[in-house]
Amino acid sequence: AQTVTQSQPEMSVQEAETVTLSCTYDTSESDYYLFWYKQPPSRQMILVIRQEAYKQQNATENRFSVNFQKAAKSFSLKISDSQLGDAAMYFCAYRGTLAGGKLIFGQGTELSVKP
Amino acid sequence: GAVVSQHPSWVICKSGTSVKIECRSLDFQATTMFWYRQFPKQSLMLMATSNEGSKATYEQGVEKDKFLINHASLTLSTLTVTSAHPEDSSFYICSASGLDPQYFGPGTRLTVL
Repeated sequence: AQTVTQSQPEMSVQEAETVTLSCTYDTSESDYYLFWYKQPPSRQMILVIRQEAYKQQNATENRFSVNFQKAAKSFSLKISDSQLGDAAMYFCAYRGTLAGGKLIFGQGTELSVKP
Repeated sequence: GAVVSQHPSWVICKSGTSVKIECRSLDFQATTMFWYRQFPKQSLMLMATSNEGSKATYEQGVEKDKFLINHASLTLSTLTVTSAHPEDSSFYICSASGLDPQYFGPGTRLTVL
């Protein structure tokens, strides 16, 4: 069975600085998708970024980028120029190409941003 | 991005009553909808997967007779918590999938007194 692990329950970053959130996963599939979701205090889940496993190029979305290491099964999220609005719970998620498309979430990392 | 709504956003009920939560995809057809449960400061726990027109697939440990799921159309799925008890109090989130990726509803906070 697939698993997703986020080993950092809490992280803190100074406004305008850069922070990296870690995520590792385990799977026997060769093709899959990886996601980072943000859950602010409103609790609305917001898609931050996605990565297709077959793509070697790391995904980027404005200030958000990932470091996808397929062999190491690692998928970290880098947030550059952190803003107060980035403060939230961040979840790493895995989705295989089978199994009805369900997402498997990590435990989450709570990010606080200091002004 | 696509919009998914949930109704109600917050519900308080007495122990023993049933509560229905609706999940709608507003601007796309969702062939698959997912229901999650989330406790404070914890991750989302998948309860069940529902496909339009067929029975829901429940995750291990989720009581299908307690959490009734109906996916009658491509834009609506409902979760009914039957004979609710205080331990069912939680935050329930649905998500809808048509094309990638999944889009999430805003969640429903259920409090059972």
